[in-house]
Amino acid sequence: ETGVTQSPTHLIKTRGQQVTLRCSSQSGHNTVSWYQQALGQGPQFIFQYYREEENGRGNFPPRFSGLQFPNYSSELNVNALELDDSALYLCASSLVSGQSYNEQFFGPGTRLTVL
Amino acid sequence: GNSVTQMEGPVTLSEEAFLTINCTYTATGYPSLFWYVQYPGEGLQLLLKATKADDKGSNKGFEATYRKETTSFHLEKGSVQVSDSAVYFCALLTGFQKLVFGTGTRLLVSP
Repeated sequence: ETGVTQSPTHLIKTRGQQVTLRCSSQSGHNTVSWYQQALGQGPQFIFQYYREEENGRGNFPPRFSGLQFPNYSSELNVNALELDDSALYLCASSLVSGQSYNEQFFGPGTRLTVL
Repeated sequence: GNSVTQMEGPVTLSEEAFLTINCTYTATGYPSLFWYVQYPGEGLQLLLKATKADDKGSNKGFEATYRKETTSFHLEKGSVQVSDSAVYFCALLTGFQKLVFGTGTRLLVSP
């Protein structure tokens, strides 16, 4: 069973640029959540995708957007990058069935640096 | 709103010492509570969880009890090892699959 993978591992961008981060969910999972973890902080919820639809969003501006594909992999897009967007971006996948909670499995993250 | 407060680190211990990392929460309703661990350069791993009041989660010698009356979920281990050095995050589940994390507590264990 393949775990959650993310690409790229590291990325350096400049202010104003756009970036796309990718996540492959664990086999059999149908839900992907994205979190931003600033240095020395806990992860902050960005949004979640369930069966290709956005299913909840945290306190992030619209320049943070995402997609989920039919194979349940996902992308996080950030437009007009700002210095404060520098962080570790974590993807987590889970299998959701009904209203029961199932463990979220986290990927290793993508470290984004904005200069 | 929903939030989690953890004790600030780093927590520095010698091997075989007793560990406590405090965690308190504020939430509406009855959230599920979790401890995650993050080793250097890695993502988060679920360490243990408790889904209702008085539940005790346990894994790898770590334990935490869901205390509704004190809104707490303190992490304990009787005898830490060097390999336990990591950052520990307390979290609660609010809404549908949305985790709210504390700021993390770094644990450093020396031989």
